[in-house]
Amino acid sequence: AQKITQTQPGMFVQEKEAVTLDCTYDTSDQSYGLFWYKQPSSGEMIFLIYQGSYDEQNATEGRYSLNFQKARKSANLVISASQLGDSAMYFCAMREGINFGNEKLTFGTGTRLTIIP
Amino acid sequence: DVKVTQSSRYLVKRTGEKVFLECVQDMDHENMFWYRQDPGLGLRLIYFSYDVKMKEKGDIPEGYSVSREKKERFSLILESASTNQTSMYLCASGAGVNQPQHFGDGTRLSIL
Repeated sequence: AQKITQTQPGMFVQEKEAVTLDCTYDTSDQSYGLFWYKQPSSGEMIFLIYQGSYDEQNATEGRYSLNFQKARKSANLVISASQLGDSAMYFCAMREGINFGNEKLTFGTGTRLTIIP
Repeated sequence: DVKVTQSSRYLVKRTGEKVFLECVQDMDHENMFWYRQDPGLGLRLIYFSYDVKMKEKGDIPEGYSVSREKKERFSLILESASTNQTSMYLCASGAGVNQPQHFGDGTRLSIL
């Protein structure tokens, strides 16, 4: 089974609208972390936001927020007031466990977001 | 700011060659990682390292090896390059389990 599932290969959104990018995960660990990265066409991976499994509040970073629904095992990224510069690939990733050696990430297949002027 | 530097943005090599991809980080991070990225597959972990001279296999280690002789440098080696290793290769470093990994700009490798 896929550990990280991103069901939207591509999305087109009008500028200034809010965007929700879906991410579901599969793990039996109680302690885990979820990350979102942005990859513009230039290729670099930019860290956006992090949510720990024990964090009680949804993470927020500027225009980015993470809609964390633990029971449903989903960690959707919400971008408010989208801008043309938000056009990029977006990856959801998971780290499982807290022990030494658990820093590795498992990535989803990504969602290509295109913002339309 | 964390800086992860990969030695080449683009590289073209021939089948059967031994290929070295170099990665250097300047934040004294213990952990370093090599991923490959292919369309429709996301990023897949090849190898990672927790400390100097320590390495662990990731999900797709076949055909690759790594070297970490100094803390700041992590090298990926394609022992005998094959066309199915044509891909984007991304190096990352990280400070711990709840910290984000920081990525280099990637090396787009073509094997002819």
